[in-house]
Amino acid sequence: GAVVSQHPSWVICKSGTSVKIECRSLDFQATTMFWYRQFPKQSLMLMATSNEGSKATYEQGVEKDKFLINHASLTLSTLTVTSAHPEDSSFYICSARPFRLAGGSYNEQFFGPGTRLTVL
Amino acid sequence: GESVGLHLPTLSVQEGDNSIINCAYSNSASDYFIWYKQESGKGPQFIIDIRSNMDKRQGQRVTVLLNKTVKHLSLQIAATQPGDSAVYFCAENIRSAQKLVFGQGTRLTINP
Repeated sequence: GAVVSQHPSWVICKSGTSVKIECRSLDFQATTMFWYRQFPKQSLMLMATSNEGSKATYEQGVEKDKFLINHASLTLSTLTVTSAHPEDSSFYICSARPFRLAGGSYNEQFFGPGTRLTVL
Repeated sequence: GESVGLHLPTLSVQEGDNSIINCAYSNSASDYFIWYKQESGKGPQFIIDIRSNMDKRQGQRVTVLLNKTVKHLSLQIAATQPGDSAVYFCAENIRSAQKLVFGQGTRLTINP
């Protein structure tokens, strides 16, 4: 259980084009999904927090008009990199936090396999 | 031995030896800590977690130690195997923001 998928697993695009990456929770509902970016030999950096049915919360320094996030259902969030440039080339990873009826601070997240974006 | 590269520290150990990977965290308000394993080209894989009201937790072949006084976390892997080769990240949960902040990571390599 608790499987998160991403599609595509890798994509190569030309500079100036837009790319959409999907993140799906396959066997659970996720009210919150997270998008991370990871450059080679570096750690994961949180880009934004996506809540189903509401606007995403972006981390400082992340351009919300460039990285469009949509969380239309409890099992799907999408990240669109608009007008991609070579410096956007990176490994994009999503995670999903299961919906829990009880409150509390537990922030369990299940991670997807990542999407390798290469912008030429 | 342990070395610090341009971005990612590396720990090399002999197969069968125990590995100790260290992590310093920054936020005193973090209530929960997790260790992840990441293999090349893949997403992070959960290893073990620990709540801030604990100082030790054991799993299968792994132990996590938490020292809140010095804001230090460690992951001990017993009898290291070739399949343990990966990059290991610690993460702290910022309770107020409900988000994870990842440490820089350590690459573990196994010598035969």
